[in-house]
Amino acid sequence: QQQVKQSPQSLIVQKGGISIINCAYENTAFDYFPWYQQFPGKGPALLIAIRPDVSEKKEGRFTISFNKSAKQFSLHIMDSQPGDSATYFCAASGNNAGNMLTFGGGTRLMVKP
Amino acid sequence: NAGVTQTPKFRVLKTGQSMTLLCAQDMNHEYMYWYRQDPGMGLRLIHYSVGEGTTAKGEVPDGYNVSRLKKQNFLLGLESAAPSQTSVYFCASTFRGREGYGYTFGSGTRLTVV
Repeated sequence: QQQVKQSPQSLIVQKGGISIINCAYENTAFDYFPWYQQFPGKGPALLIAIRPDVSEKKEGRFTISFNKSAKQFSLHIMDSQPGDSATYFCAASGNNAGNMLTFGGGTRLMVKP
Repeated sequence: NAGVTQTPKFRVLKTGQSMTLLCAQDMNHEYMYWYRQDPGMGLRLIHYSVGEGTTAKGEVPDGYNVSRLKKQNFLLGLESAAPSQTSVYFCASTFRGREGYGYTFGSGTRLTVV
């Protein structure tokens, strides 16, 4: 049973458009929500993260929106570029002894020139 | 360069064979993890370690064993490989503590069991 559900599985966006990826979680003990970016043949790399005391966090063209009551969070990529083409994973973690992350199923983003 | 190194990068096994995947990190991280990545299922935690000499089961531990004899190394063993273990395996590490939670991942091991 997946505790973090991610959608869509794949996404095609034109260059300059906005890419939006959504995640929903079930465990109310989760209090840390990172997004990872993965290029083919590479391991995932931390992109941006948020804690539930804020509703939005922005870093450059990347923004996380967080809705605690709905138990949902999303990644927005503004002015999407072909270099953003990658697989994106949302994740969540609570106060556990091993800093363990639970990952969503991933979204393969393709940005067309 | 500092980071997480996984060996081997590719491997083909026959059903029933055994093998060990090695993960080494040079960042003095306390915590280390083994994940498997399968299409549409994201990354699922196999085993993890919070320190030298300690290991614990994750979400999908069956068929795998791990050891962490040295702080910098985390080994994943497949005792008797099965086709269901065909996957890409990632090792990750991070510091102890609740700030950041940023994992550093290796580049993965692509394993095929035939």
